[in-house]
Amino acid sequence: DSGVTQTPKHLITATGQRVTLRCSPRSGDLSVYWYQQSLDQGLQFLIQYYNGEERAKGNILERFSAQQFPDLHSELNLSSLELGDSALYFCASSVRASGETQYFGPGTRLLVL
Amino acid sequence: GENVEQHPSTLSVQEGDSAVIKCTYSDSASNYFPWYKQELGKRPQLIIDIRSNVGEKKDQRIAVTLNKTAKHFSLHITETQPEDSAVYFCAHKEGANNLFFGTGTRLTVIP
Repeated sequence: DSGVTQTPKHLITATGQRVTLRCSPRSGDLSVYWYQQSLDQGLQFLIQYYNGEERAKGNILERFSAQQFPDLHSELNLSSLELGDSALYFCASSVRASGETQYFGPGTRLLVL
Repeated sequence: GENVEQHPSTLSVQEGDSAVIKCTYSDSASNYFPWYKQELGKRPQLIIDIRSNVGEKKDQRIAVTLNKTAKHFSLHITETQPEDSAVYFCAHKEGANNLFFGTGTRLTVIP
């Protein structure tokens, strides 16, 4: 157990819908990172927040957005969902903003039908 | 500069043998190189990492070596066990950027 929690574990929805994924970082960690892992694909970095502020953006679509709240939990919002958005979504956390020593949560498996 | 090539994509070894996975990067600014293990349906788990000022690091049966001149780093697993079977991802970080991951190596340890 990494100490990073994510909810829900599974999510099934329809095209065009909007969903929100939630992540709570390890105690003491200020950085949260979001990744997308498609079937048989590697991990694609989406976005990073550090202490409530957006720190870095990766390959995140305009239909996706995220935020980090004062209690440091983060939410990833996915809208106008398409079939191709079906994937595992992981968040990771670290103490610093540097991107090093990231610990991953268990992931949310999203299926868009 | 973001790309990292990982080889092989699949690797099968007999229990007790060694396994080596290699990753190659292109940007000399890369300064942090972690390895993650991901079992089927589970989260990536950080198993070892190395920074650019170090050439080798060991943790029990796992070691990582870094060749900055050739821009490659490798994961070495000795005395492999069936529970080592998983997908292994290398990653690197360039300067202040975030992690960029390789495409993964599926390791199978045959009992």
